[in-house]
Amino acid sequence: QKEVEQNSGPLSVPEGAIASLNCTYSDRGSQSFFWYRQYSGKSPELIMFIYSNGDKEDGRFTAQLNKASQYVSLLIRDSQPSDSATYLCAVNVGGGSEKLVFGKGTKLTVNP
Amino acid sequence: NAGVMQNPRHLVRRRGQEARLRCSPMKGHSHVYWYRQLPEEGLKFMVYLQKENIIDESGMPKERFSAEFPKEGPSILRIQQVVRGDSAAYFCASSPEFSNQPQHFGDGTRLSIL
Repeated sequence: QKEVEQNSGPLSVPEGAIASLNCTYSDRGSQSFFWYRQYSGKSPELIMFIYSNGDKEDGRFTAQLNKASQYVSLLIRDSQPSDSATYLCAVNVGGGSEKLVFGKGTKLTVNP
Repeated sequence: NAGVMQNPRHLVRRRGQEARLRCSPMKGHSHVYWYRQLPEEGLKFMVYLQKENIIDESGMPKERFSAEFPKEGPSILRIQQVVRGDSAAYFCASSPEFSNQPQHFGDGTRLSIL
């Protein structure tokens, strides 16, 4: 069973702080990694994707991937109350299918 | 709107009825995926389709559920003889032809079974 694990939270940070969200995955053959943001009652929205080891930055967001440790993270700098949502880690495990395996998500609250 | 289009947004059915959920992929996308999200649960993969082909249906329940993506028209997820446990949000996503591409999600269909 290919699994993706996230801390369910809730994670609470003050406005302006750095929020750090973590994810581990079980399948070493996993090829691509995605972070989605989901507001309550809404659909998942793509935030970041990363394919190679290291860091990838886009505005206030940084995705980090360590394939040796089977670990991927998302950092949100200068957190805003509007960042309060559930963050979903998703992994494409390859093997001929493009399906994504999702973690259960980490609920982030940014306090003004 | 060039995004993934799903309809209806909300669907109410009585036990035993059929539910049909529709999805039109984003313009330029040829791959369609269906996911289900139960209340307070994560997203679970159901099926992956390309035009006229089911590529991976490993997440589909063996009975009552079927999916298609015809040459013309939207992808359809069909649930026959619905039961209360089918109540969930059903999301469709699409991606371009190439491997490992990000999937973009539609707004979902909230299915409620009375």
